[in-house]
This record gives sequence, structure tokens and C-alpha cells, in this order.
Amino acid sequence: NAGVTQTPKFQVLKTGQSMTLQCAQDMNHEYMSWYRQDPGMGLRLIHYSVGAGITDQGEVPNGYNVSRSTTEDFPLRLLSAAPSQTSVYFCASSDRGVSGYTFGSGTRLTVV
Amino acid sequence: GQQVMQIPQYQHVQEGEDFTTYCNSSTTLSNIQWYKQRPGGHPVFLIQLVKSGEVKKQKRLTFQFGEAKKNSSLHITATQTTDVGTYFCYSGGSNYKLTFGKGTLLTVNP
Repeated sequence: NAGVTQTPKFQVLKTGQSMTLQCAQDMNHEYMSWYRQDPGMGLRLIHYSVGAGITDQGEVPNGYNVSRSTTEDFPLRLLSAAPSQTSVYFCASSDRGVSGYTFGSGTRLTVV
Repeated sequence: GQQVMQIPQYQHVQEGEDFTTYCNSSTTLSNIQWYKQRPGGHPVFLIQLVKSGEVKKQKRLTFQFGEAKKNSSLHITATQTTDVGTYFCYSGGSNYKLTFGKGTLLTVNP
């Protein structure tokens, strides 16, 4: 049972480049979400999904897109990377709040 | 935005001292969850409290949910260097837009 798997673990992008952060879970959780974590800012919600085909914006959605075509996968797309998107990104899933969230190990993204 | 406020933001203790972090809300919470994030790691779910006045223990950690379900605390007895990290509380219920706060960063001097 792998839990939540995020890839890549590290990435360096140039300003203006696009990329997709991958997130997959094997626990059949309906709820998945993306957070970014910056020093002193805690965890901020970017986008979330309550099931396949359903997504919604969180606190800081600008510059990011998501889709949820399957229960297992919830990729996060950076459309045109900016230095302000340098951060650590975490994907998380849960069984609709019945128990706690399971987090992936994170992707450390640097935009230069 | 954030439904609960967590204090303190930082706490430095000597190894062996106790530590407590608090989460407070102006509204009644359906539940509260606690997480720990080690430096360089990812948040890990510790526990969920649901009932008014609930108290749960995990070894040296004691979690409490207030009688009015508006506050919660995490108490660590006799801290160890392995307790270093950031402790987050979270209360979302069916409101999935609620996010985590900044947490309490605990450092332990050996």
C-alpha cells in the first residue's frame, strides 16, 4: 500500500516554462487536494477535488490548473512558471473527512 | 480562510520540559485533527477528536477537545529531540475549502 505518491521530488524550472506535478493515491479516497508551503506561511490550499470529474479552487489557485479524470490521479499543472511559485507542493487525500489526510512526500519546486 | 487560530507560533524548550499548543475557534467545530511535520518532511496525521470534552493519549502526547468544541490542545510531556517539528491543527468537516494554519514550530534543546 503506497499511499500518496508525488513525482517529481525536485524540479527546477525557468520562468515561463510549464510543467505538471503528478499525484496518485491507491486508497480509493474520494477527496484529493494540493497545498503549497512557504516559510512562515503554513499550508495553503491551491485546488481540491471531492471526486472524479469534480474540482474546485482553494485559497491560492491563480497560475495553477487541475483535473480529476480518475479517482486515483490528481495532477497539478503550472501554466507559465513564475519565481513566486517557488515552493514545496504537497498532495493529500482523505476518505471525505472521516479520518485524517494522507500527504505525499512533496515536490520541491524552484523557478529561476 | 482559516477557521481556527493556533498559538503559539513558535516554542523553544529544553529537553525534558513540557510543551502545549492550542487551537481556538470562534465557532463550534465538528471535529479537530492534529498533524506533525518533521523538518524537511511532510505532515503526518496524528489524531482526530470528535466528541465534546474528549481526551486522547498517544504515549507522551495528550490531545483534548474543549467542552464547547471551540478549542483544542496538544500537550507533550517531557519533550525529546524527536518531538521537534511543526504541529498543525485542522478542522474542516464537510467544508473542504478550509485550509491549515501556520502551526506551532517546536524546537528542543538537548
